[in-house]
Amino acid sequence: QSALTQPPSASGSPGQSVAISCTGTSSDVGAYNYVSWYQQHPGRAPKLIIYGVNQRPSGVPDRFSGSKSGNTASLTVSGLQAEDEADYYCSSYAGINKWVFGGGTKLTVL
Amino acid sequence: DVQLVESGGGLVQPGGSLRLSCAASGFNFSSSWMTWVRQAPGKGLQWVANIKEDGGVKNYVDSVKGRFTISRDNAMNSLYVQMSSLRVEDTAVYYCVKEGKWSFEQWGQGTLVTVSS
Repeated sequence: QSALTQPPSASGSPGQSVAISCTGTSSDVGAYNYVSWYQQHPGRAPKLIIYGVNQRPSGVPDRFSGSKSGNTASLTVSGLQAEDEADYYCSSYAGINKWVFGGGTKLTVL
Repeated sequence: DVQLVESGGGLVQPGGSLRLSCAASGFNFSSSWMTWVRQAPGKGLQWVANIKEDGGVKNYVDSVKGRFTISRDNAMNSLYVQMSSLRVEDTAVYYCVKEGKWSFEQWGQGTLVTVSS
């Protein structure tokens, strides 16, 4: 049950696009299309923004998109806005009703 | 609206026990898998345990197996975790989470557990 690997930080200017990677193994990210992403602002609970690799819950702007290739999933934030500055976590089903999270990426809007 | 309200956190000595509770409302609790996720201060998220709708299946991360017990009371719309033999490394904010479509759909605000002498 090792954590998924995310870059510790990412940044971009308002209006730009930023991609955050999430690397797992053939037992989690590579095995299932059950990758999800969470946004967490300081002092707040995480919020689901992507599920099933590339599905957005109701109310989440379409600036947020997800994808997966092999053992690596990615979250892309397009048209960066100031309020997108937050920590982002990926998660994947790892089989036998177990789940694993990434270490988190701090996104800075310059 | 979905509401998940955790309680029961606090300061406990190493080796001690604590029971966290989560009061759920705004959805069909008895039809939802439920999960506990924790976050150590300044650190990332860690899945801790989950429980099936009827309580018949329970799963744990290896580091808490044999020490934590997840349970639920569908009549009271409540989720629990009994934590024993607590260690300093169990210090974290514990979130009660409603599972959704292969994801963690709704989160409570969390309750802080501090294990320290």
